[in-house]
Amino acid sequence: NAGVTQTPKFQVLKTGQSMTLQCAQDMNHNSMYWYRQDPGMGLRLIYYSASEGTTDKGEVPNGYNVSRLNKREFSLRLESAAPSQTSVYFCASSEQDSNQPQHFGDGTRLSIL
Amino acid sequence: AQSVTQLGSHVSVSEGALVLLRCNYSSSVPPYLFWYVQYPNQGLQLLLKYTSAATLVKGINGFEAEFKKSETSFHLTKPSAHMSDAAEYFCAVSVLSGGYQKVTFGTGTKLQVIP
Repeated sequence: NAGVTQTPKFQVLKTGQSMTLQCAQDMNHNSMYWYRQDPGMGLRLIYYSASEGTTDKGEVPNGYNVSRLNKREFSLRLESAAPSQTSVYFCASSEQDSNQPQHFGDGTRLSIL
Repeated sequence: AQSVTQLGSHVSVSEGALVLLRCNYSSSVPPYLFWYVQYPNQGLQLLLKYTSAATLVKGINGFEAEFKKSETSFHLTKPSAHMSDAAEYFCAVSVLSGGYQKVTFGTGTKLQVIP
């Protein structure tokens, strides 16, 4: 019963490097989300995908890109990492109804030096 | 537009004491409300949700929350704290916006349980 799987769990990058965070869900959900969590700020939405083939910006999209590869997979890319992007990144998925909870992965802890 | 305010970023209670975590929300449309719990180095897990069926909602691990429309509140309670309840708790409001589930999270409350 995997749910939402994120890889990698930890990563350290140097400023300017690029990397892709991977996310996959096995619950057949239409919607997927990327959040970042910073101390005292709760979760902030970076990008979301309401359904396969669509992606849209959230609250804090600058410096990120996403790809909804198929219904299961939703990746987040940092093209040129900056220290301000040091954070914990969470992927989530849900049904498309607003009364349904989101299901979260265990997060990727990213440090940018 | 919607927002969530959680009063108290840190709350400490003694083991066996009442737990009360406060959440107030604002929303321009009738919202759905959620409480999530996050244990260290894990993602958020659903604790309970309000979807208009009943104003008093029971969740997992003995937690419950009461929706009070007049006070725009959705406070989380548990009669008797257990050491395993130590975690961070997030209140969230969800509405359907532009065809997707728009969720706004509070900034979280860390619960410390003192033996």
